Amino acid sequence: GDSVTQMEGPVTLSEEAFLTINCTYTATGYPSLFWYVQYPGEGLQLLLKATKADDKGSNKGFEATYRKETTSFHLEKGSVQVSDSAVYFCALYHNQGGKLIFGQGTELSVKP
Amino acid sequence: DGGITQSPKYLFRKEGQNVTLSCEQNLNHDAMYWYRQDPGQGLRLIYYSQIVNDFQKGDIAEGYSVSREKKESFPLTVTSAQKNPTAFYLCASSRGQGGYTEAFFGQGTRLTVV
Repeated sequence: GDSVTQMEGPVTLSEEAFLTINCTYTATGYPSLFWYVQYPGEGLQLLLKATKADDKGSNKGFEATYRKETTSFHLEKGSVQVSDSAVYFCALYHNQGGKLIFGQGTELSVKP
Repeated sequence: DGGITQSPKYLFRKEGQNVTLSCEQNLNHDAMYWYRQDPGQGLRLIYYSQIVNDFQKGDIAEGYSVSREKKESFPLTVTSAQKNPTAFYLCASSRGQGGYTEAFFGQGTRLTVV
């Protein structure tokens, strides 16, 4: 079945460092891909999305490109801030079946 | 304001009891989802519903039950058959198949067995 795999955390970075969180997926066809962010004690918020191959999603300095050939959707940010500390989830939605499936999440901690 | 509301925020259950978690949305979304979140395990899908009066099991449905009698409501019952119910439960909604863009989440319910 469909699945999403993320790099394990926690990831600890200094402020202004470059961030990459890896995400790969397994799915038939062409799912839509998402990154969600979760702050402590809260629900999830959509960070960015891409609905077809080679699409680049971007928001708040974060970017991810839908790579069909490598089945990947890695999250990047050029310069992280302390306020970016949160748990990040990669997810896919398959229109056939209507399931929204998440990876295990990657905790990011940014130190001043 | 449109949104998705979960209640209560904290819930305590005794061994052998059934409890029901509420999830209501006023976004006019067709699809609704229930997830369970445990530390280090991400979100696991319990049940989902694409339309009123219809729902499907997710990956960890055993010990849970749902109903979808109204478009805006998707309550989750944690039954006594669920052996390890202590977790953070998240409800989400979205437009249905064919119109999907993103899912919106509630603030979650933290269930603790005492």
